[in-house]
Amino acid sequence: GDSVTQMEGPVTLSEEAFLTINCTYTATGYPSLFWYVQYPGEGLQLLLKATKADDKGSNKGFEATYRKETTSFHLEKGSVQVSDSAVYFCALQNTGFQKLVFGTGTRLLVSP
Amino acid sequence: DAGVTQSPTHLIKTRGQQVTLRCSPKSGHDTVSWYQQALGQGPQFIFQYYEEEERQRGNFPDRFSGHQFPNYSSELNVNALLLGDSALYLCASSLGGDNYNEQFFGPGTRLTVL
Repeated sequence: GDSVTQMEGPVTLSEEAFLTINCTYTATGYPSLFWYVQYPGEGLQLLLKATKADDKGSNKGFEATYRKETTSFHLEKGSVQVSDSAVYFCALQNTGFQKLVFGTGTRLLVSP
Repeated sequence: DAGVTQSPTHLIKTRGQQVTLRCSPKSGHDTVSWYQQALGQGPQFIFQYYEEEERQRGNFPDRFSGHQFPNYSSELNVNALLLGDSALYLCASSLGGDNYNEQFFGPGTRLTVL
């Protein structure tokens, strides 16, 4: 079945450092890919998405490119802030269905 | 415009009991999906309701059941609770249809089974 694999956390960075969180997937067909963020005590918020190969999703300085050849969707940000501290989930949705398949999440801790 | 709301916020039950969790979708949304998020894990899809019917189901036993009302709100029922059912239960709402429509998540209900 479909699955998503994320790098384990926590990822600990200093403010203004460069961030990469790796995500790879296994799926039949041509899934859409997403990054969600979960702040403490809150539900999930959609951060960005990409619906086809080579699409780049971006939001709030975060970017991720849909790489079909490597089945990857790595999350990047050039300069993290303390307020970016949260848990980040990579997810996919396969064609024709609304069910989201999530990775296990990566906790990001940013210190001043 | 209220987003997705869930009640209660927290709940403590004992093994063998039954529980009902509630979800009100975002205004204008007609589809509700439920997810279980165990501690330190990603959310796992339980099922989805559309037009008051279960449209899709994940790999969860029949102890997990649900309902959708004419106003699109939804309930998740879990019977014969097990310790392993302790988790954050998330509700997400969206517009119906088979193409992707963004799912908006509620804050969740934290269920603890003792």
